[in-house]
Amino acid sequence: SQKIEQNSEALNIQEGKTATLTCNYTNYSPAYLQWYRQDPGRGPVFLLLIRENEKEKRKERLKVTFDTTLKQSLFHITASQPADSATYLCALDMGTGRRALTFGSGTRLQVQP
Amino acid sequence: DTAVSQTPKYLVTQMGNDKSIKCEQNLGHDTMYWYKQDSKKFLKIMFSYNNKELIINETVPNRFSPKSPDKAHLNLHINSLELGDSAVYFCASSQQGQGAREQYFGPGTRLTVT
Repeated sequence: SQKIEQNSEALNIQEGKTATLTCNYTNYSPAYLQWYRQDPGRGPVFLLLIRENEKEKRKERLKVTFDTTLKQSLFHITASQPADSATYLCALDMGTGRRALTFGSGTRLQVQP
Repeated sequence: DTAVSQTPKYLVTQMGNDKSIKCEQNLGHDTMYWYKQDSKKFLKIMFSYNNKELIINETVPNRFSPKSPDKAHLNLHINSLELGDSAVYFCASSQQGQGAREQYFGPGTRLTVT
């Protein structure tokens, strides 16, 4: 069966450390993988997209890796800040005309000051 | 400068009623979506419209009927509401094209059926 799993429901880290969030999938072949941030009571906000032929993508303090052999994406936030506390969602994008995203359940990140 | 807006933000209603949720985007996008986020926080696609045409209709009860009067609007009408319809409904939009695949989400409508 098809599954998308994100590591642990909650991740607590100290300010200044690097947060690493995991997204594993089974029986999907996404052409792209997207990461979104969702704050309580708000809609998801797009952060980064990585293509299947890319190994790594960076944007400011954010880094995403994509390993299609392991069927895994890692999302890193370096020098984390309390303002980074939110739920982070990975989303599979099949790259067809379909366009709809298939989301994981998210990882809630809490950065302690 | 709200990019994707939804109304209402909260909707409390009784079983059996009919209700609508409205969505508007001012980004000039040609594709709009409805997603449902349940109590376990999974976001699932319900419908997708491209240039006012339905392109995705997931396994959703036919009590749910989307309507797109123009490219900037996608409304969701729900008939005979059931307890299990309680969830947060998100509208989103994107622009068809090779480079831009990210989606822009509205603030959500929390529907509570009692």
